[in-house]
Amino acid sequence: ETVMTQSPATLAVSPGETATLSCRASQSVSWNVVWYQHKPGQGPRLLTYDASTRAAGIPARFSGSGSGTTFTLTITGLQSEDFAVYYCQQFNNWPGTFGQGTKLEIK
Amino acid sequence: EVQLVESGGGLVQPGGSLRLSCAASGFTFSDYAMSWVRQAPGKGLEWVSNISGSGDKYYADTVKGRFTISRDDSKNTLYLQMNSLRAEDTAVYYCAKGLLGPYDSWGQGTLVTVSS
Repeated sequence: ETVMTQSPATLAVSPGETATLSCRASQSVSWNVVWYQHKPGQGPRLLTYDASTRAAGIPARFSGSGSGTTFTLTITGLQSEDFAVYYCQQFNNWPGTFGQGTKLEIK
Repeated sequence: EVQLVESGGGLVQPGGSLRLSCAASGFTFSDYAMSWVRQAPGKGLEWVSNISGSGDKYYADTVKGRFTISRDDSKNTLYLQMNSLRAEDTAVYYCAKGLLGPYDSWGQGTLVTVSS
């Protein structure tokens, strides 16, 4: 199966700053990568799909990029509600697999 | 507004069974594939099973032969029958709208604890 590796595991950033989260696939997954935001007690929230397309209602400060095996989620102008765990997922190869997550903390 | 509400979780002994339900609203349920995804304590997300709109079923190797996914389109409800439960099945179980991804809607999850 395709292994998705996220880095770093934990990222501490100050509000208002920019966070850059990385995700690497063990084999090519084309553009078929999505990013989710996950907060305690809630289901994950879809942020981006097709590597770079924002889902409905997602603020412009969230942007995804990449293709093939390397992907990035960038969050600019961090707000208090953005501190959460972020997961990448590929659905190009069966089965769809998730990264282990990056916890975004307040610095 | 799409809503997915899971229920049926709880504490069960190893070897026991549970049936999870996911009540869907806000979209034409029969038109969409649905999935179960779980998160073990302190771990990441893991796809468990999915079912297409036409009823084709797929399972992760870790649950194949023990879990059965099904759907009742007349009730807009997704199910997961879990048998021969193991400690490693302990997790929050989420239902999600979609086949493999992207999952554009998720429930809030239901906790399954397998312990004696």
